[in-house]
Amino acid sequence: EAQVTQNPRYLITVTGKKLTVTCSQNMNHEYMSWYRQDPGLGLRQIYYSMNVEVTDKGDVPEGYKVSRKEKRNFPLILESPSPNQTSLYFCASSLGSGRALHEQYFGPGTRLTVT
Amino acid sequence: DQQVKQNSPSLSVQEGRISILNCDYTNSMFDYFLWYKKYPAEGPTFLISISSIKDKNEDGRFTVFLNKSAKHLSLHIVPSQPGDSAVYFCAASDPGMRFGAGTRLTVKP
Repeated sequence: EAQVTQNPRYLITVTGKKLTVTCSQNMNHEYMSWYRQDPGLGLRQIYYSMNVEVTDKGDVPEGYKVSRKEKRNFPLILESPSPNQTSLYFCASSLGSGRALHEQYFGPGTRLTVT
Repeated sequence: DQQVKQNSPSLSVQEGRISILNCDYTNSMFDYFLWYKKYPAEGPTFLISISSIKDKNEDGRFTVFLNKSAKHLSLHIVPSQPGDSAVYFCAASDPGMRFGAGTRLTVKP
């Protein structure tokens, strides 16, 4: 089954404790992206990657890191989480060319709480 | 500064009637516009898109209209069905993606 998977689905952590949220897709997609969803703000793009070893900042990259060492994986790293990073996070992927670039498949979401 | 705005947080329509969801944007460099649908506890799913060089795209019950001079797009759902009840996000690409805050559509039987 074609899908985007994220782990963990739920995470409660404390300020300053480094964490990684994994994202994996099995559709051989070139484009991958991370978003956070907050009430009243919709989805905001954190980082995106057009291909392996190519990453670009979205609108809210501060406090996050990403890497794209292989096509199927795009982990999101919070080196020192803070309470304002409490949010619902989505990973997405797409074929990455032409019109198909924009038709993104989303994972189920990771709800992160930082206390 | 939100470049994509959905000014109606909610919309309620009767089954069988037309649903019209609206979206405004500020960046004239956007090259694609999209609508996504989201059910609770799930990720968004792609619904329909339109290139900036077109003014209309149709897919079954869903039609998206783009008015570049007004920097406005809309999604029409005809006829509306109870299963269409969800949050709808408008998005624009350059190629980073920018989403609106969403409109919760409720279709009443």
